[in-house]
Amino acid sequence: RKEVEQDPGPFNVPEGATVAFNCTYSNSASQSFFWYRQDCRKEPKLLMSVYSSGNEDGRFTAQLNRASQYISLLIRDSKLSDSATYLCVVNGGGSYIPTFGRGTSLIVHP
Amino acid sequence: DAGVTQSPTHLIKTRGQHVTLRCSPISGHKSVSWYQQVLGQGPQFIFQYYEKEERGRGNFPDRFSARQFPNYSSELNVNALLLGDSALYLCASSKQRNTEAFFGQGTRLTVV
Repeated sequence: RKEVEQDPGPFNVPEGATVAFNCTYSNSASQSFFWYRQDCRKEPKLLMSVYSSGNEDGRFTAQLNRASQYISLLIRDSKLSDSATYLCVVNGGGSYIPTFGRGTSLIVHP
Repeated sequence: DAGVTQSPTHLIKTRGQHVTLRCSPISGHKSVSWYQQVLGQGPQFIFQYYEKEERGRGNFPDRFSARQFPNYSSELNVNALLLGDSALYLCASSKQRNTEAFFGQGTRLTVV
């Protein structure tokens, strides 16, 4: 089993839709969790950290489920500009090495 | 404040050659990590340095090496380049080893 797994997609959604991505991780001792956004041929950019209590930033909501070992990202009212690859990152568990998932591709169409 | 800067942005090398990639972290950040990303995959961890010491190494051959300098900048060296080393090489800096990491724009290496 891979350390961090994501459905590569692509997720094709119309503008205004709500879309959710999940990311599962294998190391139960993991401590830090993040979502990054990556545009084509660009570097990943931090979207948000994921806290145990969940957190929200505008149209974006991230949640952590430690019992089932997954994190989620919910995007409401999708915009064309949300089209990108969303990478989840898991850190900690003794090694403090950030481990990336392969990313989930989102395409928002008019 | 300046973000993470990497140089060069693009590079073309011939098989068997050697390459050095450079990274300057955000001021105040002590941790630098290097990643290799090929098309369609997430970044793969190569090295992590913290306070000038190697703190982690990914599953890469010994042809890959790195170091961190007293000013926390870092170099990634790759010897005996192979065609398969063609990728985007990303440097990320963070204040601590398990805090948010911020990426440079990457160095796109093409080996021909």
